[in-house]
Amino acid sequence: GAVVSQHPSRVICKSGTSVKIECRSLDFQATTMFWYRQFPKQSLMLMATSNEGSKATYEQGVEKDKFLINHASLTLSTLTVTSAHPEDSSFYICSARIGGPGDSPLHFGNGTRLTVT
Amino acid sequence: KQEVTQIPAALSVPEGENLVLNCSFTDSAIYNLQWFRQDPGKGLTSLLLIQSSQREQTSGRLNASLDKSSGRSTLYIAASQPGDSATYLCASDNAGNMLTFGGGTRLMVKP
Repeated sequence: GAVVSQHPSRVICKSGTSVKIECRSLDFQATTMFWYRQFPKQSLMLMATSNEGSKATYEQGVEKDKFLINHASLTLSTLTVTSAHPEDSSFYICSARIGGPGDSPLHFGNGTRLTVT
Repeated sequence: KQEVTQIPAALSVPEGENLVLNCSFTDSAIYNLQWFRQDPGKGLTSLLLIQSSQREQTSGRLNASLDKSSGRSTLYIAASQPGDSATYLCASDNAGNMLTFGGGTRLMVKP
């Protein structure tokens, strides 16, 4: 089945530093990938939609200059949390889909636990 | 804007019980509805996907139903086991190529 790999699975960084999270579709090409954020005991919230070769589309309330998304190839999207602060500590999950809406389920990475100290 | 609600938020049952998790959504114009399982600190595992034209899907002990007209989906788990303990999330896939998630149901199955 389709596999989405996310790296790293866990990262601890100091306040003010930047952290890059990678999301790869291992056995399929994904023209669109999605980034979600999940705070403790809450559900997932969509942050942005990452389209290969074009600018990402951000959800309302998500700072595009803080959460930089790059989707340079059909198998890789990256999320960079710039100048991270403790309030950015969260669980970040990416997902990708083969085909268009309704055609097939979204496949999710295992997530990245970010802790900013 | 689509809103997805899951009831109950938490559920604790003894092993062997059959149980039903509920999911409701406000906008019935969906492509599909998907059920996921999430273990603590982990990503999501897709359990079942029901296309908008379908009424139900089955996988092993799991059965998911979809009633678009009433904006409801249910996940039925038969003969629950301790290994079923996890958070179960439903999500609707609307036009625009995105998922809207419910708040999840935290299930605990006691041996």
